[in-house]
Amino acid sequence: QQQVKQSPQSLIVQKGGISIINCAYENTAFDYFPWYQQFPGKGPALLIAIRPDVSEKKEGRFTISFNKSAKQFSLHIMDSQPGDSATYFCAAATPGASGSRLTFGEGTQLTVNP
Amino acid sequence: DSGVTQTPKHLITATGQRVTLRCSPRSGDLSVYWYQQSLDQGLQFLIQYYNGEERAKGNILERFSAQQFPDLHSELNLSSLELGDSALYFCASSVRWGLYNEQFFGPGTRLTVL
Repeated sequence: QQQVKQSPQSLIVQKGGISIINCAYENTAFDYFPWYQQFPGKGPALLIAIRPDVSEKKEGRFTISFNKSAKQFSLHIMDSQPGDSATYFCAAATPGASGSRLTFGEGTQLTVNP
Repeated sequence: DSGVTQTPKHLITATGQRVTLRCSPRSGDLSVYWYQQSLDQGLQFLIQYYNGEERAKGNILERFSAQQFPDLHSELNLSSLELGDSALYFCASSVRWGLYNEQFFGPGTRLTVL
């Protein structure tokens, strides 16, 4: 029940296209949903995050869409650029005594072709 | 640069040995998290400390232990190493331990057990 399922495993998009990565969860206690971006040889870095009281959050070219009833959320990267090529992880966290431990999805390797 | 430092960057050792990974959180951050990243298990939460005290425990093996010192740096000790312990080990830090505090990841320590 702690799992977060992420798809696709890999994604190839042309420059200027839209990249879409999907995640699904089972644990309804999850209350915070961040997306992390990881470049080779680097640690994950927070890209954008959402709480379940909103259905969408946009920051620049990055948008999270959240569907609480379906227990799904997705990352949309508009006007994808070669510099966006990286591995993307969705994550989820629960409140309370467990602190803010993150449960990560399996990751999506995004390649944006020039 | 996230401001989180980890040493060493690479570590190669043999089965049965013991190693210590070190993490210095961002200035002012009180909470430290350890994660393991491997090809088969993905990114998994191991343990969290807040201001010197253990706050949450995840999928951490009994052969592994951690502590956070008064100067807030943290060490992850891995003993009786097995081939399967080969992975990237990330440390992350945040200001507090609460749900919505962004976790900043270090560059990781790549452990290879031969």
